[in-house]
Amino acid sequence: QQQVKQSPQSLIVQKGGISIINCAYENTAFDYFPWYQQFPGKGPALLIAIRPDVSEKKEGRFTISFNKSAKQFSLHIMDSQPGDSATYFCAAPRRGKLIFGQGTELSVKP
Amino acid sequence: DTGVSQDPRHKITKRGQNVTFRCDPISEHNRLYWYRQTLGQGPEFLTYFQNEAQLEKSRLLSDRFSAERPKGSFSTLEIQRTEQGDSAMYLCASSLERTGELFFGEGSRLTVL
Repeated sequence: QQQVKQSPQSLIVQKGGISIINCAYENTAFDYFPWYQQFPGKGPALLIAIRPDVSEKKEGRFTISFNKSAKQFSLHIMDSQPGDSATYFCAAPRRGKLIFGQGTELSVKP
Repeated sequence: DTGVSQDPRHKITKRGQNVTFRCDPISEHNRLYWYRQTLGQGPEFLTYFQNEAQLEKSRLLSDRFSAERPKGSFSTLEIQRTEQGDSAMYLCASSLERTGELFFGEGSRLTVL
């Protein structure tokens, strides 16, 4: 049932750098694209989300960029901090539920 | 604490035993979801409810799995005749239908020996 493909699988970034995670989707009927953040031992939590009527959404250091023609959306974390070290999941809605990508494990080195 | 709560947080059982997990959603949320997550993977959809009605069940879910949400409040997920392949984190989430944002609990980790 995987309909969102996420890359890379893991990412190591230096403190202060930019982290970029990409997600490709298949179903053009999707109308909501969230990113979830998960720390070890915790459930995922919504980080930021976008609807396809805009190409970019920014909340603090986190930005979603949406490319409808390429059927891709990406998460950019500016000025990455060690506290951002977590696993990030993109997701897309399908018939009332969310389908999640396989996740990107981000490690921000001090 | 008004978040989603799950119980137990950890369960170790022997193969062939039955286990039951409970989820208490955020009180005003009408939708409740169960997901399964294994190490290094994203949450995998199992089933979801709107109020007390079970609207969808994943085709990946064998008939050993059953979920209920009596009276549209808490939910239980039962796994009968557990197998080692059932070892995973079982996540519950709830949402308001109109927002689409899922609020997850901290999960119930199952280990089948």
